[in-house]
Amino acid sequence: DGGITQSPKYLFRKEGQNVTLSCEQNLNHDAMYWYRQDPGQGLRLIYYSQIVNDFQKGDIAEGYSVSREKKESFPLTVTSAQKNPTAFYLCASSIGQGIDYGYTFGSGTRLTVV
Amino acid sequence: AQRVTQPEKLLSVFKGAPVELKCNYSYSGSPELFWYVQYSRQRLQLLLRHISRESIKGFTADLNKGETSFHLKKPFAQEEDSAMYYCALKAGANNLFFGTGTRLTVIP
Repeated sequence: DGGITQSPKYLFRKEGQNVTLSCEQNLNHDAMYWYRQDPGQGLRLIYYSQIVNDFQKGDIAEGYSVSREKKESFPLTVTSAQKNPTAFYLCASSIGQGIDYGYTFGSGTRLTVV
Repeated sequence: AQRVTQPEKLLSVFKGAPVELKCNYSYSGSPELFWYVQYSRQRLQLLLRHISRESIKGFTADLNKGETSFHLKKPFAQEEDSAMYYCALKAGANNLFFGTGTRLTVIP
């Protein structure tokens, strides 16, 4: 069953801690993305990666880091430098080239700083 | 800079009534536009793409370059259409810019 999996579904973090959100896909998609969803603000792009070992900053990359060591995986680390990390995080993937069939989204991770 | 505007945060219509969700964009290049939908407790998913000129679940959307709009329309709303709808603009190689979304409620 092909898809994109995000884990965990809920995550709680103490202030000052780094946390890593997992995103895995078995769709053989080249491109992967991380979005942050806040009420009333829609989705904002944090980072994206079009190929393995390469990634680019999106609109709100400050306080976040990513890696793309494998095609299937695109983990997002929320660092202590992120001033307002409480949000809903969405990972997505796309074929990356050729006909654009749009993005496939994961089910999201809700991060809460306590 | 690219921008997607969805002016209505909330939209309520009665079942069987026509519905139109507005989307305007700003982009200097050739736009590719999409509508995504998120039903309750489900993932965000693609509804339709302007390049395919398709009708999905009775919804259509026409790209109007003169008005820089990509409004989503359906002639007769159904209760199962109640959801959050996002308009998105593809700018650059593979980057989607999303609007802030419109929550559609269809009243029985």
